[in-house]
This record gives sequence, C-alpha cells and structure tokens, in this order.
Amino acid sequence: SQQGEEDPQALSIQEGENATMNCSYKTSINNLQWYRQNSGRGLVHLILIRSNEREKHSGRLRVTLDTSKKSSSLLITASRAADTASYFCATDPRGGSRLTFGEGTQLTVNP
Amino acid sequence: GAVVSQHPSRVICKSGTSVKIECRSLDFQATTMFWYRQFPKQSLMLMATSNEGSKATYEQGVEKDKFLINHASLTLSTLTVTSAHPEDSSFYICSPTSGGGPGETQYFGPGTRLLVL
Repeated sequence: SQQGEEDPQALSIQEGENATMNCSYKTSINNLQWYRQNSGRGLVHLILIRSNEREKHSGRLRVTLDTSKKSSSLLITASRAADTASYFCATDPRGGSRLTFGEGTQLTVNP
Repeated sequence: GAVVSQHPSRVICKSGTSVKIECRSLDFQATTMFWYRQFPKQSLMLMATSNEGSKATYEQGVEKDKFLINHASLTLSTLTVTSAHPEDSSFYICSPTSGGGPGETQYFGPGTRLLVL
C-alpha cells in the first residue's frame, strides 16, 4: 500500500515563481527521495535526504525533512516551463527493502 | 547515474495474447529487481520483487500466474503479461538495484507502455 501522501495533487504556476510540494508518510524511514516524471516517461531521481538530515539543496531544488511530523517538502525556485512534470516522493522504510511512492503532484509551469 | 533499459518502450496487443517486457541494467549487477505498474495519473504501485536466481515475491493482489517474472541473470529480468486484457493496459517500470542497502539510490527503467485492445 502507498504510505506517502502528497499535496497539492496539482499545482499550476507562472514561470519564475517558486513551487512547493509536500509529502507526508507514516512509518519510520531510512531516507526519503524525490523523483520527477515527465508525461509518459520514466522516473528521474532528483534528490535523497537521509533521516538524520533536515535540509538539502541541489541547484534550484531545496528539500526539507521533518521526521517528527513525518513530512517533507520540495521547493523548486525560479521555476521554468521545463519543470512541468509529476513529482513523487518515495520513502525508504526502516526495516523494509523497497521504496514506497506517494501519489504525486502534477506541476504545470506556464510560460 | 546507472543505465537501465527497457524493451519495448511501447506495445499494442490484442486481448488474450502474451507480452514480454525486458529490463536490462547496463552498467551494474542487479541482484534485486522491482517491477512497478502505473495507471494514468496515478502513482507507481509495486507489483513484485525478484532476486537473481530465485522466485519473485508478489504484492497482495498481483497474480503471479498472470505476471511471470524471470530474473535469471544479474543484468536481465523479464516480465511477461500472460493472456493480457484491456485492464492490464498500463505503464510498467522496472527498477534494478545492486542491493547496496538503505540509502542506495534506486534507478528506474524508462518504462513500457502497454495497450491491450
């Protein structure tokens, strides 16, 4: 069963604006990962944040993790039309062996 | 990142036929293979997990006789959808791992779009 829940389900913004997506989960984790999926394509790994980390940056991406609230957020700054895609969080559960994906957020960046 | 290929990328078949999807890890040995299914506008759902040389473990609700998984080598796994029906139309994605343990980045194939008429 999917343990990740993401909000919003869909987000539409203008180019140049920031986009924030949230992910909540239910069990203890080793790490949480964010992926991007363009329509009809495979997944692209964006960033991994470990359970002992609180914030991580990669280019225009900023990920936070709050293990006490069992939640994470992905911030994309200065968005571009090419950022239009679905974004999924995935948790690597403690004691488990495989990733469990959230429902995803469909981001549309309008030029 | 790791290179993972899937073949075919897209397949259309008639109801009742079987379809084989290949997944190859091109630059590392995949001791474990995950197969996911994704319906339109939905998330990835894990179907099964296989370890090289042993039988696959299927998730609840996934018929093992319908979705045959072969993981005979460390670089190749196949998923065969037997007697496919329109409800099997979906996007199938493989994810090989080298079993590095927690924290290992999981790589994904580009996916296979199956349409059953």
